Amino acid sequence: EIVLTQSPGSLSLSPGERVTLSCRASQSISSDYLAWYQQRPGQAPRLLIYGASSRATGIPDRFIGSGSGTDFTLTISGLEPEDVAVYYCQQSASSRTFGLGTKVEIK
Amino acid sequence: QVQLVESGGGLVKPGGSLRLSCTASGFTFSDHYMSWIRQAPGKGLEWLAYISTTGVTIYYADSVRDRFTISRDNAKNSLYLQMNSLSAEDAAVYYCARDIWPDYFDSWGLGTQVTVSS
Repeated sequence: EIVLTQSPGSLSLSPGERVTLSCRASQSISSDYLAWYQQRPGQAPRLLIYGASSRATGIPDRFIGSGSGTDFTLTISGLEPEDVAVYYCQQSASSRTFGLGTKVEIK
Repeated sequence: QVQLVESGGGLVKPGGSLRLSCTASGFTFSDHYMSWIRQAPGKGLEWLAYISTTGVTIYYADSVRDRFTISRDNAKNSLYLQMNSLSAEDAAVYYCARDIWPDYFDSWGLGTQVTVSS
C-alpha cells in the first residue's frame, strides 16, 4: 500500500500569506495519479487539483499544485478566510489512499 | 449541476446490517464510475469500493471486502452499499462520489452518518 504523509499537521497563518502544504508518498508515483481535496468544516470534500497540477473546474488560481515522484505540494498563493479547511492528498497509482490531512486556520 | 444525495444511515447494533443509497442527478449517471468513501469521526478519508458504469467491474478495499457489497441501478440513477457484520470500526460518515477512474473523485455527496453501538 502506498502511504501518503502530509505535513504539517496543522498551521495558522494570516490572510494574504502564502501557504505551502506537503504530501510525500512512500514510493514514487506518476503525477497523473495525485489529487488534492479541500474539506471545509461540516462540508463534503471538494476536488481542487488533479494530475498533481491541474485545477478542477471553478477552483481559484491561487491554488497551485506541483511536484513529482514522491514529493508533491499544494500552494495557496494568498490565504483567504474561506480557505479555512482540511486539505487532503490522494493517490491512485496503487488502489486509492488518502493522506491524513493538513488543517489550515486563520490567525 | 451534479448532485449526489446519500441516505440510509443510522444507528445499528454490532453485527448488524445496513444498506446505504446514493441518488444522482445533474449528469448521465450511467456514463460514470462511482465509489463509496468513508470518514470516521476525527479521522481521514478511506476509499471503500468502486463500480464501473455497467456494474461488471467492482473493486473493494481490503478492510471491507467480504462484508460490503457495492451495486448500482442505472435506471434509477442510484448507487448502493450493502454493509454486513458491522462493528464499531465501521462508524463513520459515508460519502458517495463520482469516480473519474482511476484518478480522482470529482463530485461528492454530503454524506450519511452510520453509528454502530449496542
